[in-house]
Amino acid sequence: EAGVVQSPRYKIIEKKQPVAFWCNPISGHNTLYWYRQNLGQGPELLIRYENEEAVDDSQLPKDRFSAERLKGVDSTLKIQPAELGDSAVYLCASSSRVRQSTDTQYFGPGTRLTVL
Amino acid sequence: LAKTTQPISMDSYEGQEVNITCSHNNIATNDYITWYQQFPSQGPRFIIQGYKTKVTNEVASLFIPADRKSSTLSLPRVSLSDTAVYYCLVARGKIIFGKGTRLHILP
Repeated sequence: EAGVVQSPRYKIIEKKQPVAFWCNPISGHNTLYWYRQNLGQGPELLIRYENEEAVDDSQLPKDRFSAERLKGVDSTLKIQPAELGDSAVYLCASSSRVRQSTDTQYFGPGTRLTVL
Repeated sequence: LAKTTQPISMDSYEGQEVNITCSHNNIATNDYITWYQQFPSQGPRFIIQGYKTKVTNEVASLFIPADRKSSTLSLPRVSLSDTAVYYCLVARGKIIFGKGTRLHILP
């Protein structure tokens, strides 16, 4: 079974430029997460989707970040414009989420973003 | 929020048993405890999950006392490849990974 796929793996851009990350979750997983992980820190949840619906986006900086999950499968996270502080690893995860309390997430390898 | 507290780092030697304890004083009745492992340049990977007493799988054991205010991840006979960051999560409301425990296995 294929795992969570993310692309690109690495991205270097200049500040004020736009950038987009793509995620393909495990087949059949209805829940999709985007996290940001800064160096030496744990992953920080940005947004969680249940099918096509964003059910928790309280940590998403909405002035510059946007996300979509068309048809409840693939998802794209966009930053426009990027700032120096956005340099981090962006992780995508998916789960079948039958119950919140036992939710097991499967993570992709992440996209390492460097903003110059 | 279900906050957890773990040691920042631990060192051990190959072949030893390693125990990492996580404190979760405000765990709720329906909360499960989940542990993830993360290697450099990879996303976290699920290790084990439990609700009470003891859970064991091919990778680790998880010990949860009766009051459930803490849990201990036990890694038997560690090897160099177990060097990673280990996160303890209590899944309720906000998903918070915290900084995890950096485990360094020495030869």
